[in-house]
Amino acid sequence: QKEVEQDPGPLSVPEGAIVSLNCTYSNSAFQYFMWYRQYSRKGPELLMYTYSSGNKEDGRFTAQVDKSSKYISLFIRDSQPSDSATYLCAMRSSGNQGGKLIFGQGTELSVKP
Amino acid sequence: EAGVVQSPRYKIIEKKQPVAFWCNPISGHNTLYWYLQNLGQGPELLIRYENEEAVDDSQLPKDRFSAERLKGVDSTLKIQPAELGDSAVYLCASSLNLGAYEQYFGPGTRLTVT
Repeated sequence: QKEVEQDPGPLSVPEGAIVSLNCTYSNSAFQYFMWYRQYSRKGPELLMYTYSSGNKEDGRFTAQVDKSSKYISLFIRDSQPSDSATYLCAMRSSGNQGGKLIFGQGTELSVKP
Repeated sequence: EAGVVQSPRYKIIEKKQPVAFWCNPISGHNTLYWYLQNLGQGPELLIRYENEEAVDDSQLPKDRFSAERLKGVDSTLKIQPAELGDSAVYLCASSLNLGAYEQYFGPGTRLTVT
């Protein structure tokens, strides 16, 4: 079993839809939770970052972490065609030297005009 | 500010040939990472450096892969000899230090082994 499991794609939605992307994990030591966005032929770029449990909002994006369920989510409101990309969840443990960043497999999202 | 620079962007080689990838991290970033990304998968860490010291190379297949980060800046990842299964995207990333949560990724080198 992988440490991080991500809902498989591809996911296709109409413009303006609310998108929900999810990951589950097994390692209770994970403290830092991130969402990266990766456009085709590009490297991943950090979209959202959350430490421990709770919600974080940034514009149309909301990240949620439920450590009791080992479940994280990314919500995209009013989705736009420019949101079409692969979304990767990633997480790591804490510590002065930091833990290794573990990625999910990614969910490919397509937002249709 | 320039991002993480990688070269080449694409490389096609025959199996058993050697290949090398180069990475220049963001200026001032002490930590450098090499990742492997297979099609439809997330990146997987191969090795990470703090300055010129490899602090985690447990995932690097040392029989054919090697890496170096001379002077704690640029880094080179080498495969010798390449196998068909090495076809993937090789990503380089950097961060301020090991504890920094944000890693900045380069565009990657897409390797095809025929």
